[in-house]
Amino acid sequence: DAGVIQSPRHEVTEMGQEVTLRCKPISGHDYLFWYRQTMMRGLELLIYFNNNVPIDDSGMPEDRFSAKMPNASFSTLKIQPSEPRDSAVYFCASSLGFLIGNSPLHFGNGTRLTVT
Amino acid sequence: AQSVTQPDIHITVSEGASLELRCNYSYGATPYLFWYVQSPGQGLQLLLKYFSGDTLVQGIKGFEAEFKRSQSSFNLRKPSVHWSDAAEYFCAVGTPGTYKYIFGTGTRLKVLA
Repeated sequence: DAGVIQSPRHEVTEMGQEVTLRCKPISGHDYLFWYRQTMMRGLELLIYFNNNVPIDDSGMPEDRFSAKMPNASFSTLKIQPSEPRDSAVYFCASSLGFLIGNSPLHFGNGTRLTVT
Repeated sequence: AQSVTQPDIHITVSEGASLELRCNYSYGATPYLFWYVQSPGQGLQLLLKYFSGDTLVQGIKGFEAEFKRSQSSFNLRKPSVHWSDAAEYFCAVGTPGTYKYIFGTGTRLKVLA
């Protein structure tokens, strides 16, 4: 299995631009998560989906952030407009199972976003 | 509210020495507990997990962790560290029945040759 695939690996953009991060979960996994990692705040859960439906988006910091999962094999996290404080590493993770303990999270390699 | 504390930001050990990384959690009942490892430029990989039962849990790469309810701790140990163990280690807690993983801030391990 190829694992969770994220693209791009690195993204540098100017403040005010739209940024789209992409994720392909492991085939067959029915949960998908977006996390943000910064030195100051550590690893934060932004949103997660179950069977392509957003379940909890309480971690999404502002209306500038949006996430979609149009099908079981693809998800996007969009920031519009981007700001320098959005600079971070964004991880996508997927898992299989219903209860938290039954299936661990499988992480992608992340997208390092730099907003200048 | 759940929380996870990893009191050591950085730890340096010599290759072959033993290792213990500390993790304390705050939760009203027994949570699910996890240790993940992150190598530079990579995502997080699960080392081990605890749900219930035996409080000493074995994981991959020779790691183990012990759940101590009285101390609200879930410390990670390895008897002999290898240079390839240099990475960042994250403790995480989850509430049974949900997908709310709360991660600690991580401990960066450096291994001296």
